[in-house]
Amino acid sequence: KQEVTQIPAALSVPEGENLVLNCSFTDSAIYNLQWFRQDPGKGLTSLLLIQSSQREQTSGRLNASLDKSSGRSTLYIAASQPGDSATYLCAVPSGGSYIPTFGRGTSLIVHP
Amino acid sequence: DTAVSQTPKYLVTQMGNDKSIKCEQNLGHDTMYWYKQDSKKFLKIMFSYNNKELIINETVPNRFSPKSPDKAHLNLHINSLELGDSAVYFCASSQDLRNSPLHFGNGTRLTVT
Repeated sequence: KQEVTQIPAALSVPEGENLVLNCSFTDSAIYNLQWFRQDPGKGLTSLLLIQSSQREQTSGRLNASLDKSSGRSTLYIAASQPGDSATYLCAVPSGGSYIPTFGRGTSLIVHP
Repeated sequence: DTAVSQTPKYLVTQMGNDKSIKCEQNLGHDTMYWYKQDSKKFLKIMFSYNNKELIINETVPNRFSPKSPDKAHLNLHINSLELGDSAVYFCASSQDLRNSPLHFGNGTRLTVT
C-alpha cells in the first residue's frame, strides 16, 4: 500500500524567498505524481503532473522534480508571494493502481 | 462555467437520516472520484468510476452508495448517517484513468448532529 509523506508540515516565510517542499512515497512503481494546492474552504487545484518517464515539470514559478528510484519529489517555488499561501499536496497512485493517494500536505504562509 | 460542481455546498443533518450529494462535470472526462477529507485535512479515496463503471471501492461502509447515471454525473448517497461521517466530501474527475490531472469540485461540508 502506498504511503505518501510530506515535509515540512507547515512553513512560514517572508515574501520573495525560494522554497522547496518535499514529498516521499514508499512504492516506486508509479505512473505519475501530481502536485496540488488547496485554498481554505476550496477544492484542490492541479499544479503539475509528472509522468513516471519524466524527471521534472515546470509551470511559471513552479518546478517539480521526480526521482522514482528514491521515492521522492520536490516542488520548488521561486520568488514566493503572499498569493502562494495555501496547502500544497502531492498525490501518487498506489502500487498497481491508477488512483492517487494523497499526502497530508504542507501548509504554506508567505507574509509580506 | 464551473468544471466540476457539487451540490449542496453545506449539509447539516441528524444522525440516522439519509442524504445525497450530487456531482456533475462538464469537461467530458471519463473518470470520476469521491474523496473524503477528515477533520485533520487528510484526503482518502472512497470510490472511482471509469466510463460509468465502478473500478475502485475502498473500505467504505456499505451505507455509502455511489451512483453514476452517465459519464458526467457521480452522485453519493449515504444511508443512516453517523457522527463520524462528518467531513468534507470532494468530487473529482480526470480525462482518463492513467495520466491525467484530477479536477476537483469545491467540496460538500457534511455535519451530522
